[in-house]
Amino acid sequence: EVQLVESGGGLVQPGGSLRLSCAASGFTFSDHWMIWVRQAPGKGLEWVASIKQDGSDKYYVDSVKGRFTISRDNAKNSLYLQMNSLRVEDSAVYFCVRDNNGAYWGQGTLVTVSS
Amino acid sequence: DVVMTQSPLSLPVTLGQPASISCRSSQGLVHSDGNIYFNWFQQRPGHSPRRLIYKVSNRDSGVPDRFSGSGSGTDFTLEISRVEAEDVGVYYCMQITHWPETFGQGTKLEIK
Repeated sequence: EVQLVESGGGLVQPGGSLRLSCAASGFTFSDHWMIWVRQAPGKGLEWVASIKQDGSDKYYVDSVKGRFTISRDNAKNSLYLQMNSLRVEDSAVYFCVRDNNGAYWGQGTLVTVSS
Repeated sequence: DVVMTQSPLSLPVTLGQPASISCRSSQGLVHSDGNIYFNWFQQRPGHSPRRLIYKVSNRDSGVPDRFSGSGSGTDFTLEISRVEAEDVGVYYCMQITHWPETFGQGTKLEIK
């Protein structure tokens, strides 16, 4: 059974940093693109970042470029999102998703950016 | 980026009655490989999104057959033949034909 479990969310002040993690199991992690999607409170879904199977290609939505870094450790079956210079508008539930076809989602981890 | 526009944004439905959600894309969604990479998702309150339909009309495993998807070009539809209480939630369309993947605004289905 495919499982994606996010962690690392929490309350942080504007300008602060957080590192999200996603532990994957039930499939061959290194065979799949991995994606972060976020959902602001009461709002819709927004793609944030994607990373290729071997980590060689990474893509970001414009609003996070230069502030967020997506990475992975295939030996640990783990996906990460390093978030720096956080803004109030980055507050959201962040979902880890396998592949861009959206077949498998984690339960999400809540990030709140507030003073 | 491809803009996905859903309608209606709010959909009150009587139990047992049909429901229909429309999604229009700002560009055609036929990929160079001939496929249309267009999906529908359901998000029940307090849950993660769940994919219902992929590549326009293919139901995911475990999705009741009262859900069906159709469409072509830039216009797509999700239909529920007879709404049940468990169908309450927000429905999103999504395209992955063109980078970056983009979602519709969501349609909130509620029981009248």
